[in-house]
Amino acid sequence: GQQVMQIPQYQHVQEGEDFTTYCNSSTTLSNIQWYKQRPGGHPVFLIQLVKSGEVKKQKRLTFQFGEAKKNSSLHITATQTTDVGTYFCAANTGFQKLVFGTGTRLLVSP
Amino acid sequence: DAGVIQSPRHEVTEMGQEVTLRCKPISGHDYLFWYRQTMMRGLELLIYFNNNVPIDDSGMPEDRFSAKMPNASFSTLKIQPSEPRDSAVYFCASSLGGSPTTDTQYFGPGTRLTVL
Repeated sequence: GQQVMQIPQYQHVQEGEDFTTYCNSSTTLSNIQWYKQRPGGHPVFLIQLVKSGEVKKQKRLTFQFGEAKKNSSLHITATQTTDVGTYFCAANTGFQKLVFGTGTRLLVSP
Repeated sequence: DAGVIQSPRHEVTEMGQEVTLRCKPISGHDYLFWYRQTMMRGLELLIYFNNNVPIDDSGMPEDRFSAKMPNASFSTLKIQPSEPRDSAVYFCASSLGGSPTTDTQYFGPGTRLTVL
């Protein structure tokens, strides 16, 4: 089936360090969404990207959609302990449903 | 707004028993999704409905799984008979109705199922 891969699977940073997760697909994506799931919680929508090369910012979070629309990234500047959780991308690979990526688990130490 | 409501929150059952998970979507949302989350397989879409009609059930693992949506405010996911490998967190999500791939999906709190 269609796969959307994320790297890294896991990252442990010190508070104040930056963090980036990457989402990659072998097929061109119509759009991509990002979700955050806190430990023990449920996925919560963060943002959607639609256009080639699009960049969107939410405070310390920067989201980017690749020029070829096959990859995306989420960058967090100066992480805080509240950023802990698993970040998922979810992409439309052309079959009228979202495929969730494998997720990147972020741990932030104070 | 109450958000998506799921019940039960936790379910422990024995292999071979029937399990029924319940979901109430956000009022006015036309799409309803059932997902399963495990460490090994991540977050998988099992089935989704549009206006109470099943649209894509290609993610349903096997005949032991069935889902229904008798009306706009209620859906069930049934596993009969249950097996230990069905142990997972099952999420229900809903979205407004423009598109299943571009609308924001709102997830419920999930049901943690353990099959012994």
